[in-house]
Amino acid sequence: ETGVTQTPRHLVMGMTNKKSLKCEQHLGHNAMYWYKQSAKKPLELMFVYSLEERVENNSVPSRFSPECPNSSHLFLHLHTLQPEDSALYLCASSQDGDNEQFFGPGTRLTVL
Amino acid sequence: AQSVTQPDIHITVSEGASLELRCNYSYGATPYLFWYVQSPGQGLQLLLKYFSGDTLVQGIKGFEAEFKRSQSSFNLRKPSVHWSDAAEYFCALRPYNTDKLIFGTGTRLQVFP
Repeated sequence: ETGVTQTPRHLVMGMTNKKSLKCEQHLGHNAMYWYKQSAKKPLELMFVYSLEERVENNSVPSRFSPECPNSSHLFLHLHTLQPEDSALYLCASSQDGDNEQFFGPGTRLTVL
Repeated sequence: AQSVTQPDIHITVSEGASLELRCNYSYGATPYLFWYVQSPGQGLQLLLKYFSGDTLVQGIKGFEAEFKRSQSSFNLRKPSVHWSDAAEYFCALRPYNTDKLIFGTGTRLQVFP
C-alpha cells in the first residue's frame, strides 16, 4: 500500500450504532487530519494530530471521537450520529512543518 | 476573517478549449495557496501550490496558476482541456504558521467532446 488509505470506503449506519473509520498513512508523516466533506459546503477540518497529540479540535460534536495510537494510524469513532452527519470523511497526512497534505480516498458515510 | 471564494460552482467547456477557474481569498498577509482536484469517488490530489517567489506556478497535468496580490486571486488555468480533466477543483489557503487548510466550495468542471 502506498499513500494514504481509508477503510471502509462506504458505511451505512443507524443512529444508534457505533462504528469506526480507519486511516493509515504509508508516507512516514507525523501529522494527520480528519476532514468532513458535505455537499455544497467547503471541506471542514475536524481534527489535527501532530506527533500523536491532538492539536486542533474545531468544535466537533462529542459523538465524533478521534484516536491516534501512532503516527501511521488515525481513527474516527462514531456513536449516536445524526442524519446530517452523512458526508464524505477524508483523512490526510503531512510532514510537520511541510505545507503539503496528502489525502486518502475518503469514507462515504450514510446515517439512516 | 480568512476565507476562500470560488465564484463558479459549475463550468462546462469543450475538449481542447482553454480553461480558467477563479479563486479569491481573504487573508491579512500572503498565504500559502493550493489547488486540489477531486475525481469522483477519490480523495483530493494536489495540482500545484504557491508559497513565495515567482507568481506563476506550474503544476501537474499541464495546469498553472497565477498569484495576483492586488486582486487577492489565485486563478487556475489550462490552455487545452482534456476529457479526463472533468472533476471537482478546490482552491485552498493555509495561513502562515498553521496546519489548517481553508477550502473554497469547489468548482465542478464538465468537459464535452
